Amino acid sequence: GAVVSQHPSRVICKSGTSVKIECRSLDFQATTMFWYRQFPKQSLMLMATSNEGSKATYEQGVEKDKFLINHASLTLSTLTVTSAHPEDSSFYICSLGLAGGETQYFGPGTRLLVL
Amino acid sequence: GENVEQHPSTLSVQEGDSAVIKCTYSDSASNYFPWYKQELGKGPQLIIDIRSNVGEKKDQRIAVTLNKTAKHFSLHITETQPEDSAVYFCAACRGTGANNLFFGTGTRLTVIP
Repeated sequence: GAVVSQHPSRVICKSGTSVKIECRSLDFQATTMFWYRQFPKQSLMLMATSNEGSKATYEQGVEKDKFLINHASLTLSTLTVTSAHPEDSSFYICSLGLAGGETQYFGPGTRLLVL
Repeated sequence: GENVEQHPSTLSVQEGDSAVIKCTYSDSASNYFPWYKQELGKGPQLIIDIRSNVGEKKDQRIAVTLNKTAKHFSLHITETQPEDSAVYFCAACRGTGANNLFFGTGTRLTVIP
């Protein structure tokens, strides 16, 4: 399978600051990447689909101005949580979409804690 | 849209026994069904998948069965080991080009040594 890395693995920040999470595909060109959020003991919730060279597609209820996604290269997608608040604390996971997007390989996740 | 239900939410088995996790889906257009294993604090790992043109797929101790008529699919783990303990998620997708995976709610499997 594909190898996906995320950085940082965990981050603690103060309320009101912005946090950038990087997602890298190490061995496949990533035309499509996905960003998920997972709250404790819950399933994965798709936030947005990130397409290289174009604007991300956000799921209903996800604020695009708060969760900025940039997919400027075939190996890197970034998610920036702007003006983070405690309710944004969660486990953020990216995935690489292959075979048209149906086969997804996930990164190790980033745990965000907003104080 | 697609709705994937997963049962049970928790499952405890003795080491060496088998574990079965079941999922149902609602969208008859779904034709790709992956299973993921998630260990604590880590991202999900794809362990097996099945497409609608087959009814069963096996990979060593792991097997998945699919009944398209009834819209349900199951994960079978035989000869369970403590390292199989994790949360397992099923998912459904319409296939190539459709992108979106719809996940079940997860099953926490505990294998008791």
